[in-house]
Amino acid sequence: DQQVKQNSPSLSVQEGRISILNCDYTNSMFDYFLWYKKYPAEGPTFLISISSIKDKNEDGRFTVFLNKSAKHLSLHIVPSQPGDSAVYFCAARRMKTSYDKVIFGPGTSLSVIP
Amino acid sequence: DSGVTQTPKHLITATGQRVTLRCSPRSGDLSVYWYQQSLDQGLQFLIQYYNGEERAKGNILERFSAQQFPDLHSELNLSSLELGDSALYFCASSASGGFHEQFFGPGTRLTVL
Repeated sequence: DQQVKQNSPSLSVQEGRISILNCDYTNSMFDYFLWYKKYPAEGPTFLISISSIKDKNEDGRFTVFLNKSAKHLSLHIVPSQPGDSAVYFCAARRMKTSYDKVIFGPGTSLSVIP
Repeated sequence: DSGVTQTPKHLITATGQRVTLRCSPRSGDLSVYWYQQSLDQGLQFLIQYYNGEERAKGNILERFSAQQFPDLHSELNLSSLELGDSALYFCASSASGGFHEQFFGPGTRLTVL
């Protein structure tokens, strides 16, 4: 049972354009969401997060949008740069329970073409 | 560099064998988490230790066990290895017991032949 889904295994975007990575979740109890970026031969690195009390969080070129009614979040990267080419993992967490653990999606591989 | 170190980087072994993966968290971090990433799979949470005690458990097989030592480093023991255990094993650490922001190590690639 995949509670966090990233239905696009890969995405290619031209440099300078917007990259939109999507994530869907099934468990309405999730109340905190994170995005991680992973380069080959390295561990994932934390990118940006959003609490379920918000619908948008912005950090430089990265913005995460949360649509709770649709159980959907997206990561926007504007403008996309070649160095953004990596695998992006969406993750969800249930903070206010004893079941506090992070569930990761399968990842989306982003290629930014110069 | 996240400050989290993992050894070894690569490990090749045979089915039925036992291996130990080691993780040193960032200085000052009390929590250590272990994850498994199989081919084309996301990160599967295995287990978390906080200040030496087990804090949360995920999809960890009975053949696998972990511990966190007084100096806060952690070891993940995998026994009776099967071909399907071949994967990348990541360790992460965080300052607190929550999962808010974890810092990941570079991983150990385990190949079971």
